[in-house]
Amino acid sequence: KQEVTQIPAALSVPEGENLVLNCSFTDSAIYNLQWFRQDPGKGLTSLLLIQSSQREQTSGRLNASLDKSSGRSTLYIAASQPGDSATYLCAVGSGNTGKLIFGQGTTLQVKP
Amino acid sequence: KAGVTQTPRYLIKTRGQQVTLSCSPISGHRSVSWYQQTPGQGLQFLFEYFSETQRNKGNFPGRFSGRQFSNSRSEMNVSTLELGDSALYLCASSHDAGGGTGELFFGEGSRLTVL
Repeated sequence: KQEVTQIPAALSVPEGENLVLNCSFTDSAIYNLQWFRQDPGKGLTSLLLIQSSQREQTSGRLNASLDKSSGRSTLYIAASQPGDSATYLCAVGSGNTGKLIFGQGTTLQVKP
Repeated sequence: KAGVTQTPRYLIKTRGQQVTLSCSPISGHRSVSWYQQTPGQGLQFLFEYFSETQRNKGNFPGRFSGRQFSNSRSEMNVSTLELGDSALYLCASSHDAGGGTGELFFGEGSRLTVL
């Protein structure tokens, strides 16, 4: 049974810092891994999708990496801004379906 | 291109009642999935519909059901509501083309409060 863990559960940093969010999964037979952002009371916004054959994806100040053999993914946020404050969720898919297994999320606060 | 649309956004029900939530996927997307989000359990997969057929199902009791229409719009129903059903219900759609990326796009959710 696939399990997804995100560490840390919460993180507070000053504006401008580079930071790394971690995601680990127990079964390396994944189809893809997706990082989402969720603002309080809102839905999920897709940030980055990494296919199982890929090692990393980049979008603006965000970079996500995937190491299937070790069951890990990281989300790197460069030059953090207060607007980055949100909960970041990692989710793993085992096939091209709508079923994802989510981690519990990391709540990020970026202080001005 | 419009995103995933969920209605209603907020609703309050009492125990024992039933509720129906609606989801309109992104145009051209054929797969619709439903998730329940609570502070204690996080995001949990309910079920997925593709071409009007349930393709995947999570570990929820039979009180939770859904369906998909020929235009890919989907509804989920919860019967005999319990206090523990209070949650944010999220709908997601994906294009699901053969060999596709499997990327999911979520709506804003329906916030259900059961009193």
